[in-house]
Amino acid sequence: KNEVEQSPQNLTAQEGEFITINCSYSVGISALHWLQQHPGGGIVSLFMLSSGKKKHGRLIATINIQEKHSSLHITASHPRDSAVYICTPSIIQGAQKLVFGQGTRLTINP
Amino acid sequence: GAGVSQSPSNKVTEKGKDVELRCDPISGHTALYWYRQSLGQGLEFLIYFQGNSAPDKSGLPSDRFSAERTGGSVSTLTIQRTQQEDSAVYLCASSLGGVTNYGYTFGSGTRLTVV
Repeated sequence: KNEVEQSPQNLTAQEGEFITINCSYSVGISALHWLQQHPGGGIVSLFMLSSGKKKHGRLIATINIQEKHSSLHITASHPRDSAVYICTPSIIQGAQKLVFGQGTRLTINP
Repeated sequence: GAGVSQSPSNKVTEKGKDVELRCDPISGHTALYWYRQSLGQGLEFLIYFQGNSAPDKSGLPSDRFSAERTGGSVSTLTIQRTQQEDSAVYLCASSLGGVTNYGYTFGSGTRLTVV
């Protein structure tokens, strides 16, 4: 079983729709990051969270440490949100090792 | 610098040659990470440097891969006797501290093609 499972793997939606991407992990973590990778390959760190919820513009990230689950939400989605979103837990064991989900490819159609 | 700088942006090399990839992290960032992303695949952790501590090399796929970080700043990832399966985008990221407490910033990557 992979340490990190993201769902869905691919998601296509219409502009304006509310988007949810889920991440479940099986390891003990100290923090979790959500990354955004655009088609050109550049990677941006969106959120780092270890509890509760964070909001940045139209993006919201939540985490439930007990249930080992995190979600990334996008409100009022826009075509420029089209990217691969990657869940990245930072595991407790070892020196800050990161594990990566395979990513969710999001396509927002106008 | 203002961001994480990687060079070269693209590298094509012949199988069996050695290559060096450079990462210049954000000034003051003590943590530096190397990852790679093969075509159509997810991110793969390679190595992690934190300050003066011994690096975490647990992600290096073989002994052909090595990395060093001089003076706690610039890092070089060296791949010896390159193989076609080494073809990937090699990404560097830096963080003010460990990623448990701080976010991190990625460079734009080096696209390595082994022919």
